[in-house]
Amino acid sequence: DVKVTQSSRYLVKRTGEKVFLECVQDMDHENMFWYRQDPGLGLRLIYFSYDVKMKEKGDIPEGYSVSREKKERFSLILESASTNQTSMYLCASTKPTGVGTDTQYFGPGTRLTVL
Amino acid sequence: AQTVTQSQPEMSVQEAETVTLSCTYDTSESDYYLFWYKQPPSRQMILVIRQEAYKQQNATENRFSVNFQKAAKSFSLKISDSQLGDAAMYFCAYRSGGGNEKLTFGTGTRLTIIP
Repeated sequence: DVKVTQSSRYLVKRTGEKVFLECVQDMDHENMFWYRQDPGLGLRLIYFSYDVKMKEKGDIPEGYSVSREKKERFSLILESASTNQTSMYLCASTKPTGVGTDTQYFGPGTRLTVL
Repeated sequence: AQTVTQSQPEMSVQEAETVTLSCTYDTSESDYYLFWYKQPPSRQMILVIRQEAYKQQNATENRFSVNFQKAAKSFSLKISDSQLGDAAMYFCAYRSGGGNEKLTFGTGTRLTIIP
């Protein structure tokens, strides 16, 4: 079974703090993704990575950065947290097969509150 | 850019009955893939069913089936014999047929099962 884990289920931070959200997958997947999920907006892609040290911006990258130093780990960084970054953050991974219908495997999510 | 629309924020169905969740999408591409993901309360998002746009036959997975209408750009999910465990948020997602692994999600439909 593919397992995608995230470092925290719940996190509370103060405005201006630097925040690290960690995601680890154990199935040697090349691709990893960070989404944020907000009511009425669905999931929106923040960043994704298709290899170690490679990254691409998603639809809403402003205020975020990412790091992928090892294949199994993909970190999302909020350089200076703001209240409008209060959200549920979901990590996902997938192994590209060239078929197109590759399943994305999701972590349990981190609910971040910025006060 | 592609968009995915789920026009039903909430749906409910009596246990053992059938329910259909709607999804429409907008794209100028001819090669793409469509997915339905399920997010149970406080649990991880999982894939329910997927469809290749080039296939005319509708995908089925046990009690779950889709009605894929390519010309109408519609991709509805039918759940037969609804069970309490089907209660969840359901997200429709689109993926381009190119090498990009990105998914574009709809805003979700919350399904309640009435015992």
